[in-house]
Amino acid sequence: DGGITQSPKYLFRKEGQNVTLSCEQNLNHDAMYWYRQDPGQGLRLIYYSQIVNDFQKGDIAEGYSVSREKKESFPLTVTSAQKNPTAFYLCASSTYATNEKLFFGSGTQLSVL
Amino acid sequence: KQEVTQIPAALSVPEGENLVLNCSFTDSAIYNLQWFRQDPGKGLTSLLLIQSSQREQTSGRLNASLDKSSGRSTLYIAASQPGDSATYLCAVRPFPNNDMRFGAGTRLTVKP
Repeated sequence: DGGITQSPKYLFRKEGQNVTLSCEQNLNHDAMYWYRQDPGQGLRLIYYSQIVNDFQKGDIAEGYSVSREKKESFPLTVTSAQKNPTAFYLCASSTYATNEKLFFGSGTQLSVL
Repeated sequence: KQEVTQIPAALSVPEGENLVLNCSFTDSAIYNLQWFRQDPGKGLTSLLLIQSSQREQTSGRLNASLDKSSGRSTLYIAASQPGDSATYLCAVRPFPNNDMRFGAGTRLTVKP
């Protein structure tokens, strides 16, 4: 089945530690996105990538980093510089062929130990 | 900068009632508008996508309308069921930017 796979479902970070969230898609979509969701708030864009080896900062990129070495993969690293990382992280993808309709993964809940 | 607002933040209705969820946005220059459903602890499921040139889209008991000039969209749910209980989010894709803007959502509870 085509879709977006995020792993792990739950992740715990110790102070000073970098952690990486995985996002893989087999939809052949060109664009991929990372969003952060805090309770009772809308989604906020962290980074997005429209093509391989290129990505742009969203509204809240500080303390995060990404890479796009393959079309299918867009991992997000939460660095120790992100002082309030506890949130639900969602990966999404889209393509011009489907009018840029957003498809989402099932999310990763990150908590601080 | 595009701002998206959803009112009310929460809504509780008895089963079988028809209901309308509202979404407003500040800039009419949009590429599309999308409605999503989110269950607790889950990702977002796309319900309907309306292109900027369209006025409405329908899928089963759901109908979404778009009025770009007034910066408004509504999601109409007919004959609500307890299984419709979830948070509903709307999002607009500004033109020409590529950063989708989300509302905070409306948490819907349908009581049996």
